[in-house]
Amino acid sequence: LAKTTQPISMDSYEGQEVNITCSHNNIATNDYITWYQQFPSQGPRFIIQGYKTKVTNEVASLFIPADRKSSTLSLPRVSLSDTAVYYCLVGQWGKLIFGQGTELSVKP
Amino acid sequence: EAGVAQSPRYKIIEKRQSVAFWCNPISGHATLYWYQQILGQGPKLLIQFQNNGVVDDSQLPKDRFSAERLKGVDSTLKIQPAKLEDSAVYLCASSTGSMGTEAFFGQGTRLTVV
Repeated sequence: LAKTTQPISMDSYEGQEVNITCSHNNIATNDYITWYQQFPSQGPRFIIQGYKTKVTNEVASLFIPADRKSSTLSLPRVSLSDTAVYYCLVGQWGKLIFGQGTELSVKP
Repeated sequence: EAGVAQSPRYKIIEKRQSVAFWCNPISGHATLYWYQQILGQGPKLLIQFQNNGVVDDSQLPKDRFSAERLKGVDSTLKIQPAKLEDSAVYLCASSTGSMGTEAFFGQGTRLTVV
């Protein structure tokens, strides 16, 4: 299984754009890249999933370069409620292996 | 659409006692997962079911943990006997079983072993 590496923590301010980069050098050909968000005392919540190039939904954008060895989750104009842990996962056919995640702290 | 339901929400037991957690996945979801999340860590996969069958239980401590998924729907996770280090949040998730990795999680059961 491809191992992912992402920053342990990040700080931001309200209204800023936040970019969290995940490294996955050993990604397999058929692997998808998926990001989850987790608030305290809740289960992880699916944010976005992509295979290549760029994916955008109402919550975030996911940028994947051509070599697919990294990916960047972009959160536009964050608010205090975006303070959470963000996990980058790489896998296929429902294989969900979580790493340490990135603890994002949004300040006023 | 109803989400993944888990019960109980909280449980406190003494070490060496037994405990069971229940999960009802989203209707029609073929894949069901149980995760253990220790405070400050990412969720750790304990067992993954595809319908009735076990796909992956490589990290399930089989001497004390057991799980079943009857009729490919509901699932129970049991710990017997519990140890202090089993204190954690136990998360259940389900997915359609497609090629990707989109899953839906329940709120979890917080277990405290004293």
